[in-house]
Amino acid sequence: KAGVTQTPRYLIKTRGQQVTLSCSPISGHRSVSWYQQTPGQGLQFLFEYFSETQRNKGNFPGRFSGRQFSNSRSEMNVSTLELGDSALYLCASTLGGLDEQYFGPGTRLTVT
Amino acid sequence: GENVEQHPSTLSVQEGDSAVIKCTYSDSASNYFPWYKQELGKRPQLIIDIRSNVGEKKDQRIAVTLNKTAKHFSLHITETQPEDSAVYFCAATGWGSSASKIIFGSGTRLSIRP
Repeated sequence: KAGVTQTPRYLIKTRGQQVTLSCSPISGHRSVSWYQQTPGQGLQFLFEYFSETQRNKGNFPGRFSGRQFSNSRSEMNVSTLELGDSALYLCASTLGGLDEQYFGPGTRLTVT
Repeated sequence: GENVEQHPSTLSVQEGDSAVIKCTYSDSASNYFPWYKQELGKRPQLIIDIRSNVGEKKDQRIAVTLNKTAKHFSLHITETQPEDSAVYFCAATGWGSSASKIIFGSGTRLSIRP
């Protein structure tokens, strides 16, 4: 079974731009969660999507948004990028319950 | 709001010794407690988990204990080896009013001294 994949793996953007990250979960997994990982803040939960609906959201500003498609693939969008948005963005998929989260390799976003 | 506190933030132990990482959670509705290991430059991977109906679980050199009354859970690694060097994250998850909730600890950087 193929693992969780994320594209692109690396991105460099400038302040004020927007960015879209993509996550393809493990086949059969219906839940996709997104996390921001920075050296100082650890793993911060952004949001979770299940069956195309956002069912949980962390404490991030509205510039961070996401969506999930019918095939469970998910995208995350960050608008009006700030320097502080530089981080590793991880997505993880599960079947949907309280199960092991399978993480993707992450997208390293650098904002200059 | 709910949170998970993890200690210590860094831990250095001699190869062959034991390592213990502790977490405390605040949400009494939490009932699933996974531990993830993240090696340098790699993705987090589950190494062990425990559900609230169990007090202890072991898997070879790794064990996790849970004290629901005190809202504590701990990771124990015995006979540490160089490949145990990584960042370890605890997490607490449970069902809220309508959705699952997962909160991660801030991570422990474990270094194994040869």
